[in-house]
Amino acid sequence: GESVGLHLPTLSVQEGDNSIINCAYSNSASDYFIWYKQESGKGPQFIIDIRSNMDKRQGQRVTVLLNKTVKHLSLQIAATQPGDSAVYFCAENRAGTGFQKLVFGTGTRLLVSP
Amino acid sequence: GAGVSQSPSNKVTEKGKDVELRCDPISGHTALYWYRQRLGQGLEFLIYFQGNSAPDKSGLPSDRFSAERTGESVSTLTIQRTQQEDSAVYLCASSPHGVVGYTFGSGTRLTVV
Repeated sequence: GESVGLHLPTLSVQEGDNSIINCAYSNSASDYFIWYKQESGKGPQFIIDIRSNMDKRQGQRVTVLLNKTVKHLSLQIAATQPGDSAVYFCAENRAGTGFQKLVFGTGTRLLVSP
Repeated sequence: GAGVSQSPSNKVTEKGKDVELRCDPISGHTALYWYRQRLGQGLEFLIYFQGNSAPDKSGLPSDRFSAERTGESVSTLTIQRTQQEDSAVYLCASSPHGVVGYTFGSGTRLTVV
């Protein structure tokens, strides 16, 4: 069935490196994508979003890239810090569902070593 | 309140018992969502409330699960005759009308023994 999935379940990086977390989606009708960060024992926290009419959006130390041709989404974190260690989820809003219903991927765990 | 509040934060219950989980959304947020997150997995949609409209219950896994919300206030998720496979973190989120990005609570960790 249609799904939002991630290529890598765990990503280990050194502090100061750049991190790239990838996500594949299968519904070409999705019009909005969000990245969430979930720290242990907490609910997911909004990081950055992007609409389907864009291919890049930048925030503070984070950049989201959207490639609609291959239905791929990525989150880039610059100068990764230990505080970035968490599970990262991509989520898509499937247009035409009648309401704003986010479908979440499985998640990627980012481990940052000092 | 400042954020989405869920209670209890942890709940251990015996198999076969009923449990009730509570969510207090951000004031003014008309949309409220319940998701379930099993250990090491992604978020599974359960139910969605929007104002006074009929809720979308399409994600509820069985008739043992039900949820209520009065107006735009507190919501309760009830699981009857709990089973071990119900063990998970139950997350609540809310958002203003027309806004896709949610604000999540910290969840209720349910353990069925």
